[in-house]
Amino acid sequence: AQKITQTQPGMFVQEKEAVTLDCTYDTSDQSYGLFWYKQPSSGEMIFLIYQGSYDEQNATEGRYSLNFQKARKSANLVISASQLGDSAMYFCAMREGNTGGFKTIFGAGTRLFVKA
Amino acid sequence: DAGVIQSPRHEVTEMGQEVTLRCKPISGHNSLFWYRQTMMRGLELLIYFNNNVPIDDSGMPEDRFSAKMPNASFSTLKIQPSEPRDSAVYFCATVIGDGYTFGSGTRLTVV
Repeated sequence: AQKITQTQPGMFVQEKEAVTLDCTYDTSDQSYGLFWYKQPSSGEMIFLIYQGSYDEQNATEGRYSLNFQKARKSANLVISASQLGDSAMYFCAMREGNTGGFKTIFGAGTRLFVKA
Repeated sequence: DAGVIQSPRHEVTEMGQEVTLRCKPISGHNSLFWYRQTMMRGLELLIYFNNNVPIDDSGMPEDRFSAKMPNASFSTLKIQPSEPRDSAVYFCATVIGDGYTFGSGTRLTVV
């Protein structure tokens, strides 16, 4: 069965520093997608970044990068130059299959606190 | 494009009452997903549709829950009768590009 594990319930980072949020996954599928979402205190869910299982390069989106290590089944999110507005809950997620019409499962989340 | 629209934003109801949550997805996108978020269980997929057809409803917790998508522009999630343990935030989402676009959610409180 598919599973997403986020082992860090909470993380602190100093403003302007980089932070890594951990995510490991388990699947027997060869084709899958990995995602990170942000949930600020206002409650909305915001898509941040996507990595396909066949993508050889790590995904990047602005200050976000996904450190994809397929053999280790890890998909860590790196946020560079943290900002106060990055304080939020972050969810790692995995979708079976390589197109949008498949279900996605979510990890338990990591709450990030950015200190001024 | 107004995005995924959910209504109501907040719903407070008494145990035993019927509750209907509504979702208007972004037009032209074929998949729609209903999730429930609680502190204890996190984000759980309840059901999803492709081209208005339910594909997987294995996450629907009980027969008290039902969902429909009569057309590409509208979906409902109904709970009848509601119970206090149904209190949660319910999200619907569609797929735009690689990731989901979520609605703003409906916070349901059953007292």
